Amino acid sequence: KAGVTQTPRYLIKTRGQQVTLSCSPISGHRSVSWYQQTPGQGLQFLFEYFSETQRNKGNFPGRFSGRQFSNSRSEMNVSTLELGDSALYLCASGAAPPQDTQYFGPGTRLTVL
Amino acid sequence: GQQLNQSPQSMFIQEGEDVSMNCTSSSIFNTWLWYKQDPGEGPVLLIALYKAGELTSNGRLTAQFGITRKDSFLNISASIPSDVGIYFCAGAQDNTDKLIFGTGTRLQVFP
Repeated sequence: KAGVTQTPRYLIKTRGQQVTLSCSPISGHRSVSWYQQTPGQGLQFLFEYFSETQRNKGNFPGRFSGRQFSNSRSEMNVSTLELGDSALYLCASGAAPPQDTQYFGPGTRLTVL
Repeated sequence: GQQLNQSPQSMFIQEGEDVSMNCTSSSIFNTWLWYKQDPGEGPVLLIALYKAGELTSNGRLTAQFGITRKDSFLNISASIPSDVGIYFCAGAQDNTDKLIFGTGTRLQVFP
């Protein structure tokens, strides 16, 4: 079974631009969670989608948004990029709760210049 | 954002030594998880704990769910070079809740 895939793996943007990251969950999984990982703040939860509905949301500004499609693929969007948005963005997929069934993708490394 | 306190922050040990790390919180958690992350990869689940006092092993790894439900411990016995990486604890307050991650313990193993 193929694992969680994230595209692109690396991205360089400049301040003020916007970016869209994509996550394809493991086949059959309906839950997708997004995390931001930085050296200073560690792994921070962004949001979780299940069956196209946002079920949980972390404490991030409205510039961070996401969505999930009917095939369970998910995208997250960051508008008006700031230098501090440079991070590894990780996606995790799961069949359903409990959370220990989450499997992480390799991440997208975003650098904002 | 919310984080769990994990210690030590980093460890440098010799191959064959045992390793202990822990994770503490001021809040009660009902699930504790331990992950390992290799460079350039996402975290991989090592052990999941669901009950206060529970002790679970996965090969050379043993983790415990603290009795107070506010902490958890991970031990690695007889470390080997491939144990190198960053170890994260994570907790959930109920099984549909978001995961809160620890700050990570960076483990370096020298031959």
